[in-house]
Order: sequence, then C-alpha cells, then structure tokens
Amino acid sequence: EAGVAQSPRYKIIEKRQSVAFWCNPISGHATLYWYQQILGQGPKLLIQFQNNGVVDDSQLPKDRFSAERLKGVDSTLKIQPAKLEDSAVYLCASSPGTGGNTIYFGEGSWLTVV
Amino acid sequence: GENVEQHPSTLSVQEGDSAVIKCTYSDSASNYFPWYKQELGKRPQLIIDIRSNVGEKKDQRIAVTLNKTAKHFSLHITETQPEDSAVYFCAASTARDDKIIFGKGTRLHILP
Repeated sequence: EAGVAQSPRYKIIEKRQSVAFWCNPISGHATLYWYQQILGQGPKLLIQFQNNGVVDDSQLPKDRFSAERLKGVDSTLKIQPAKLEDSAVYLCASSPGTGGNTIYFGEGSWLTVV
Repeated sequence: GENVEQHPSTLSVQEGDSAVIKCTYSDSASNYFPWYKQELGKRPQLIIDIRSNVGEKKDQRIAVTLNKTAKHFSLHITETQPEDSAVYFCAASTARDDKIIFGKGTRLHILP
C-alpha cells in the first residue's frame, strides 16, 4: 500500500517569496492533516480536512497561509509571503477518518526561509 | 480545545534500564492516545496506541498506561537499546472530530 506522498521534499526561498506544497494521501483516507513542525518541537496542527471540507483551521495563519483539498483527495498548502519563522517541516498526514484512527505521516516538506 | 503536556523534555537512561514518559490531556472527551517515535530527519512513526476503554496495552518492550480519571497516560520502554534513541511524541484525539493534538516531545538518549 502506497503511503502519504509529499513534494517537494526540500525548498529554500527568500522571505516574502511564495511556496506551495503538495500532498497525496493514502488511497481512501477521508481525513487529511497539515502539520507544521519547527525544529525541536512537536507537530502543530495547521488545518484538517474531512473529504473536501475544513474541520479545523484555527491555527492556520490565514493572512499568509492557505490550503485546499479539491475533490477530496490531493491537497496543497501555500505560504505567501513567507517569513523567516515559517522555516519548518510541513508534514502531511491522513487517516481513514472514522473516529479514533491512526494517522500516517508523509516524509515532510522541509522549508528554509532566508 | 485539547491541550497535551509531555514530560520530561529530555531523558537519558543507561542501556538496559527502563524509560518512562508521561503526558496529560485536558479534554475529557479524548478517547484515543497514540505514541509516535521520530528519528532524526524522518517522519513520526506510530509505535503504540491506546483507547479509552483500555487501561493498559503492551507490545514487546513497549507499554502504555491510561488513567482516564486523572487524564494522564504514560509510555514505558523496558530493556532499552541504542536504537530506542529518538524523540517520542504523545498525542490525544477525540472521536467527534479526529483532531490529533501532539505533545512537545521527549528526546530519549540511551547511554552505552
């Protein structure tokens, strides 16, 4: 079974530039998560989708971050304009979405803002 | 919303000894508690989980206990080995929304 796919794996951009990350969840998984993990910290939930609807985006800095999950499958996370403090690993995860399920993480997209 | 506290932030134990990591949660509706292990530069991987209808679960050298009344749960690793060195995260989730909130992590060092 294929895992959660993410791209790009690594990205270096200058502050005020934009960047987009893509995620393809495990086939059939209804719930998709984007987490931000700053070095030395735990994953912080940015946004959670159930199919193509948003369940929670309370921690998403909406002035610069946006995310969508068209057709309830793939998802993109965009940052525009980027700040230095956005340097982190952006982890996409998915779960079957039927309550109390294991979530499976992708390899992550490493972002460095200089 | 849910808040998960994890202690200690760093733990060093002699190889062969036991390690215990503790977490507390705030939302009494939380009913699913996974533990993840993250090695340097890699994704978090599930190592064990427990649901609220169970007080303890064991898988070889790893065990997790849950005290619903006190709202805390713990990870126990016995006979630690060098490959146990990693960062461990606890998490809590409710069935109503599947939102999984993580603790800040514990960096475990296994000393030779």
